[in-house]
This record gives sequence, structure tokens and C-alpha cells, in this order.
Amino acid sequence: AQKVTQAQTEISVVEKEDVTLDCVYETRDTTYYLFWYKQPPSGELVFLIRRNSFDEQNEISGRYSWNFQKSTSSFNFTITASQVVDSAVYFCALSEWGADKLIFGTGTRLQVFP
Amino acid sequence: DGGITQSPKYLFRKEGQNVTLSCEQNLNHDAMYWYRQDPGQGLRLIYYSQIVNDFQKGDIAEGYSVSREKKESFPLTVTSAQKNPTAFYLCASTPAKGSGEKLFFGSGTQLSVL
Repeated sequence: AQKVTQAQTEISVVEKEDVTLDCVYETRDTTYYLFWYKQPPSGELVFLIRRNSFDEQNEISGRYSWNFQKSTSSFNFTITASQVVDSAVYFCALSEWGADKLIFGTGTRLQVFP
Repeated sequence: DGGITQSPKYLFRKEGQNVTLSCEQNLNHDAMYWYRQDPGQGLRLIYYSQIVNDFQKGDIAEGYSVSREKKESFPLTVTSAQKNPTAFYLCASTPAKGSGEKLFFGSGTQLSVL
């Protein structure tokens, strides 16, 4: 069965702190895709990154970085030098090869205080 | 600008009433989805459609109905059979069927029961 676990329900940090959001997934497939989405207070989910199971390279995009480790079935997301605008709910999601849908985790609410 | 438009932003339902949530996209995407978001539960798939005049049930289809008469439109009806309809509803689309496609989201409709 496929499953995505985001154990951190809510995280609060002060601006400029680094923060890591954890994501652990379960799947029997060898081919799958992992995603991160951001949901700001406006409600619309915004795509951040997609990774396929054959690409374990870490990725950095500005203050954002992602650490994909198949050995621990994790796809963690780090925000460096957090800002108030980073305050949002962040979702990790999984799609198995050939599947028609994404399976979402329960989300992590990040609050960044000035 | 291309995107997904959901309306209304807020909707109230009376006991025994059916209500319809609108979702329109001008991205020329084939696949469209409806998700329900409850606090602490992440996003759960209600229905999805990969082609006009065809749709499939998701994980929580009971009490909901959809239609896909046009490529651009995928309305969701919350029927009186849905006993706990209060939630945030998100519509999404992808260019084509298949895993690995990123979802484009609308800004959501908050449905509440009077």
C-alpha cells in the first residue's frame, strides 16, 4: 500500500532560522514520483518540486533544498534562512508509476515569526 | 492568464440541499480532479476525470457526483447524502493522464453547513 507520513503537524520558527520538514513514504513500486506543494493562506496549492525514484540527487533552489534518500524512504525539505512569507502548509505527495492519482501526506503547518 | 477558476469562494448548504461547486480551466488540460481537505487530514480524492464524458470515483466519492461534458469544466455536486460536507474543496488539473504529472490547483471553495 502507498502512504505518505508527515509526522510534524506544526512547526514554529523565528525568521532567519533554518527549518526541515520531514516526509516518509511507503510504496512497493520501484518507479514512483515524489512531490512537495505549498499551500499559503490563500488556499491554492503551489507546486514546488517533483522527483522520480531513479534520481536521488539532492536539489537546491534558492533557499529551498530537498534531500531524497531511498534507503530511508524519505524526501525531506529544508528552508534556509526562513522568512515570514514561507508561512504556509506544506504537503508531501507520492504517485506510483501508472497510478492515476497522488497520495498526499497530512501536511505540516509552518509558522515563521518576525 | 491560464489557470483554474473555482467558484464560489464560500458556499453555505442547508439541510437536505444539493449544492454545486464550479471548476473551470483554460489550460487545455485533459485530466481534472476534485479533492477534499479537512483539518489534519490532508487532501483526499473525491472524483477524477481523464477525458470528456468519463470520470472515476476516488477514495471518498460517496455523497458526491460530477460531470464532464466539456474539457474545460468539471463541476462537483455535493448531495444531501453527504452528511458531513463542511470542508475545503480543491479542484486540480494535469496536462494528461499518468503518474508523474504535476497538479495545477484552483484557489478552492469553502463549504459550510447552515
